[in-house]
Amino acid sequence: GESVGLHLPTLSVQEGDNSIINCAYSNSASDYFIWYKQESGKGPQFIIDIRSNMDKRQGQRVTVLLNKTVKHLSLQIAATQPGDSAVYFCAENTQTGANNLFFGTGTRLTVIP
Amino acid sequence: ETGVTQTPRHLVMGMTNKKSLKCEQHLGHNAMYWYKQSAKKPLELMFVYSLEERVENNSVPSRFSPECPNSSHLFLHLHTLQPEDSALYLCASSLTTGDTQYFGPGTRLTVL
Repeated sequence: GESVGLHLPTLSVQEGDNSIINCAYSNSASDYFIWYKQESGKGPQFIIDIRSNMDKRQGQRVTVLLNKTVKHLSLQIAATQPGDSAVYFCAENTQTGANNLFFGTGTRLTVIP
Repeated sequence: ETGVTQTPRHLVMGMTNKKSLKCEQHLGHNAMYWYKQSAKKPLELMFVYSLEERVENNSVPSRFSPECPNSSHLFLHLHTLQPEDSALYLCASSLTTGDTQYFGPGTRLTVL
C-alpha cells in the first residue's frame, strides 16, 4: 500500500529558532496533505493543510511546502516555542477507498529553552 | 477542544472483561473513525462509519466490535482482549470521508 514516511524520528531545536519537519509520500495521486500535532496525552490536532494545486501555504507561524516533483512535504515552524514540543504527523489523502487518509509515524520535536 | 470527546480517558481491563469505549462529536460531521495508536507505529485505522453505516473494516479482530447508533456517537465494544491490544484508541470525525479529520483525546487502554 501507500506509505508516508518521515526523514527523522526526532528533532531538537533551540527556543526561538525555526524548525523544519520533513515528510515523504509515495502516491503521486495524492492531492491533499495535512499536518497534525500531537502533544503528550492528547489526540492529534489539525495544524494546516495544503492541496496539490499549491506549493506553499502559510498559517500562524507555520508554513507548509509541497514539492510534487520529489513527493516531499515539509512543515516550517517560525520562532519555535516550548509549547511547540510535540509529535508531528503528516497525512496524505490518496483519493482511494472510503478512508483515504494515510499517516506517517511522526517526528518528535523537542524545544530546548 | 476539538469538538470530539472520548470516555473513559483511561481503562485497565483483564483479558476476560467486557468494556466499551465511547466517542461523541459535536461538529455535525457525517463520518466517524476508530484508530489504534501504538508506540512507534503509524496510526492504524480500524473502522470507518459514514452516515452510520460501516464503510471500512481493516481486518480488525472480532474481539473489537464497533457500533454507530447515530452520526454523533460511536462505540467500540471490547471483549476478551489480549495484552498486545494495549494502546491509545483514538476516535475522529470528519464532514465526509474525504475531509480533514478531527480527533478526540483518546482512551489509554491497558490489558492485563
